[in-house]
Amino acid sequence: EVQLVESGGGLVQPGGSLRLSCAASGFTFSAYLMHWVRQAPGKGLVWVSRINVDGSDTRYADSVKGRFTISRDNAKNTLYLQMNSLRAEDTAVYYCARDDAYKIDPWGQGTLVTVSS
Amino acid sequence: QSALTQPASVSGSPGQSITISCTGTSSDVGGYNYVSWYQQHPGKAPKLMLYEVTNRPSGVSNRFSGSKSGNTASLTISGLQAEDEADYYCSSYTSRNPFVFGTGTKVTVL
Repeated sequence: EVQLVESGGGLVQPGGSLRLSCAASGFTFSAYLMHWVRQAPGKGLVWVSRINVDGSDTRYADSVKGRFTISRDNAKNTLYLQMNSLRAEDTAVYYCARDDAYKIDPWGQGTLVTVSS
Repeated sequence: QSALTQPASVSGSPGQSITISCTGTSSDVGGYNYVSWYQQHPGKAPKLMLYEVTNRPSGVSNRFSGSKSGNTASLTISGLQAEDEADYYCSSYTSRNPFVFGTGTKVTVL
C-alpha cells in the first residue's frame, strides 16, 4: 500500500523555523517527483513546492521562495520541508504528496503548523 | 499565480446531477490536458477523483465525469449521493509553476 506520513508540525513563534518530514512507503520513492501542498484553516489548497527525483531541481511558490527549502533523502525514503522566517500566514496543514504523471496522488494525512506568539 | 476560479458552493438533491466549473487561463487549464479533480471530506486529506480531464482512477465511481472547453474544465456528479457531500478542488499543470489549484467548491446534498 502506498503511504505518506508527515511529521514535524507544531507551534512556532513568528520568525522561527521548523522542519517537516514525510516518510514514504509502498512505492519506489526515488522514481517520483514529490510536492508539498498546504491548506490554511478553512481555506483552499495551495501548492507550495516540488522536487524532482534526485533533488537537483526544485520549484517554489512565490509566497515561500527564499524562506522554504524542499529536499529529499532517497536512501531513507523521506521528503523534507525546511521552513525559516515563518509568518502567521504560513499557518496551515501541510500535505506531502506524490506526483504521478501530472496528477498529485496520493496525499499524506497532513501535519499542522501554527505560527503564533 | 492566481488560483483557478470555482463556484463557492453547489447543491442538489439525491439522484440529481450537478456540475462544478473550473476556470483558468491559456497558461494552465486551456493550455494543457492535465486537469485533475480532488474530493476532500472535513478533516481528511484530498482524494484524486479525475485526472487528465476525463480519466477516473481505479475505484472511483463512474458517476464522476469530466470535460473541458477552452479555459474552463468541469466536473459532473450524476446520481448525487449523501456521501458526495464534500469540498471539491480542481487543479491544473501550468506553464509557470508545476500546479495551481482551484478556489474550491462545497457540494451540499439537500
